[in-house]
This record gives sequence, structure tokens and C-alpha cells, in this order.
Amino acid sequence: DVKVTQSSRYLVKRTGEKVFLECVQDMDHENMFWYRQDPGLGLRLIYFSYDVKMKEKGDIPEGYSVSREKKERFSLILESASTNQTSMYLCASSEPGTGSRTEAFFGQGTRLTVV
Amino acid sequence: GDSVTQMEGPVTLSEEAFLTINCTYTATGYPSLFWYVQYPGEGLQLLLKATKADDKGSNKGFEATYRKETTSFHLEKGSVQVSDSAVYFCALSGSSNTGKLIFGQGTTLQVKP
Repeated sequence: DVKVTQSSRYLVKRTGEKVFLECVQDMDHENMFWYRQDPGLGLRLIYFSYDVKMKEKGDIPEGYSVSREKKERFSLILESASTNQTSMYLCASSEPGTGSRTEAFFGQGTRLTVV
Repeated sequence: GDSVTQMEGPVTLSEEAFLTINCTYTATGYPSLFWYVQYPGEGLQLLLKATKADDKGSNKGFEATYRKETTSFHLEKGSVQVSDSAVYFCALSGSSNTGKLIFGQGTTLQVKP
């Protein structure tokens, strides 16, 4: 079974803290993604990576950074957490290319609350 | 830019009712289209997909047909069950090679016994 694993299901952090969300995939996928899910807004792309040490900004990168030192691991970093970053965060991975190969596999999500 | 629009929810149905969730898209080129489902407390999982015009994706009794002329990919099921209660997301993958998915806002389905 293919698997994308996020390190935490629930996190509570304080305003101003530096927060790390970790994601690991076991499918040897080149692409990895971080999305944020908010009610009524669907999923919005924060950052994605198409190779080790490569990253590109998505639609809402402000306040976030990412790290990909190894192919299987993609970390999302909140430099200084704020209450408006309270949300569900979803990691995904996929193979590169068009058509059906771009099916994405998702982790179970991390619900982050910033107080 | 590319975008996906889904019908507003929540949708509440009785068991065995017919389901339609509308999805329309705007995209350049020839995107692939997907429906993902999110059960309570879980991440997203692929429900079905279609990669070219007139393709029909199907899975677990759900179907959707890629209609290029109306830029639509509506999700249908003939007889819903309580276990289908979930959030459904329509998504597209553009013609670029990045693998990025663009999602609609999601539609919550609640099926009552």
C-alpha cells in the first residue's frame, strides 16, 4: 500500500513559535506538496517540490517555508506561528508528468491550532 | 488562471436518493480531472479520474464524465448510502508537468438513514 505519513494528527502551538510539520512518503515520488484546507476555501497550495532541494511557491506561501533534504521527506515550517495559520495541513505526493500519473496521494492531515 | 468551481453545500439526502454534485472548470489546454473524497477525520483519497474528453471515471458506484464542451465533470451516484457521507472535492491537473492539483472548495454530503 502506498503511504504518505504526517508526523502529527493534532498540534497546539503558541503565537510566535516556530513550527515544523513533517511528511514522509514511501513511493519514491518526485513531487511533494503542502496544502492548507479551510472551510469554504477548499485546498490551497502553499509550496511544492519536484526534486530534492528544489521548491516552488504555491498560491499562499507567505509565512511559510519548506525543506526537502531527502526525496522521501518534505517539511513545512511556520517561521513564527500566528492565529490565522490555524488550519488543517495536508501533505501529498505524486509522480511528475501529465494525465493519470498526476494522481496525488495524501497524508491523513495535521490539524494545527495556534493560540 | 486555471480554476475549479463546485456547487455549494452542504447537501443532505436520504439513503437511496440520487446524488449529483456539480463541478465546472476553467483551464488552458487539456487538463486531467479528478474527484477526491475526504471521510471524517481523514486525508483525501482519490475517488475517480478522467484524463481526456468524453472519458467516464467510475468507482464505488460513483461516476463522472469529462465534458469538454461544457467544461464540466459532475459527480453522480444512483443510490447513496449513509457511509457516503463525506466531503467531495473536484480537482484538475493542468497540462504543465508539475503535477499540481487545483481544487474546488469542496461539497459536504450528509446522508440520513
